[in-house]
Amino acid sequence: QQQVKQSPQSLIVQKGGISIINCAYENTAFDYFPWYQQFPGKGPALLIAIRPDVSEKKEGRFTISFNKSAKQFSLHIMDSQPGDSATYFCAAKGQTGANNLFFGTGTRLTVIP
Amino acid sequence: NAGVMQNPRHLVRRRGQEARLRCSPMKGHSHVYWYRQLPEEGLKFMVYLQKENIIDESGMPKERFSAEFPKEGPSILRIQQVVRGDSAAYFCASSPRAGSQETQYFGPGTRLLVL
Repeated sequence: QQQVKQSPQSLIVQKGGISIINCAYENTAFDYFPWYQQFPGKGPALLIAIRPDVSEKKEGRFTISFNKSAKQFSLHIMDSQPGDSATYFCAAKGQTGANNLFFGTGTRLTVIP
Repeated sequence: NAGVMQNPRHLVRRRGQEARLRCSPMKGHSHVYWYRQLPEEGLKFMVYLQKENIIDESGMPKERFSAEFPKEGPSILRIQQVVRGDSAAYFCASSPRAGSQETQYFGPGTRLLVL
């Protein structure tokens, strides 16, 4: 059973536009929510992460919005660039006694010039 | 400061052979995690190890798969008698400490192809 649900599966955005990727979770024990960026043939690289005590975190063009009551979080990429074209994974961690990440199924983002 | 290193990057095996995947964590990291990624899917946790100890292997198949992280040397993920369904990308991650809010840093992965 998928602990973290991610949508959309794929996304096409014009250069300069805003890319939005959404994730939802069920387990209220999760307390760490990272986003990873993966280019073809490479490993996932940490992009930005949030903890549930804040509702928003911004780093450059990347923003995470977190809604604890709805158990949802999203990644916004402002001023999207062709170099942002990659697969993005949301993840969650924090079950008692576990240290592993639960990943969403990924969103393939394509930014067209 | 080298990141997480994995080798080989690509591995081809015939059905029934053994596959050995190696992972060297980042310097100063003593916690290692192995994940498997099937094509067009997210990563799935397999096993979590500290030096000389398996902490959590709840995601690893009970048969044919084993993992170790010896006192000296890299962590090894071993798959015996490989089958076509084992074809996937295997990623290793490391962290300096345990804890729910510790960042995990991923290596470039080993892409296993079973013929």
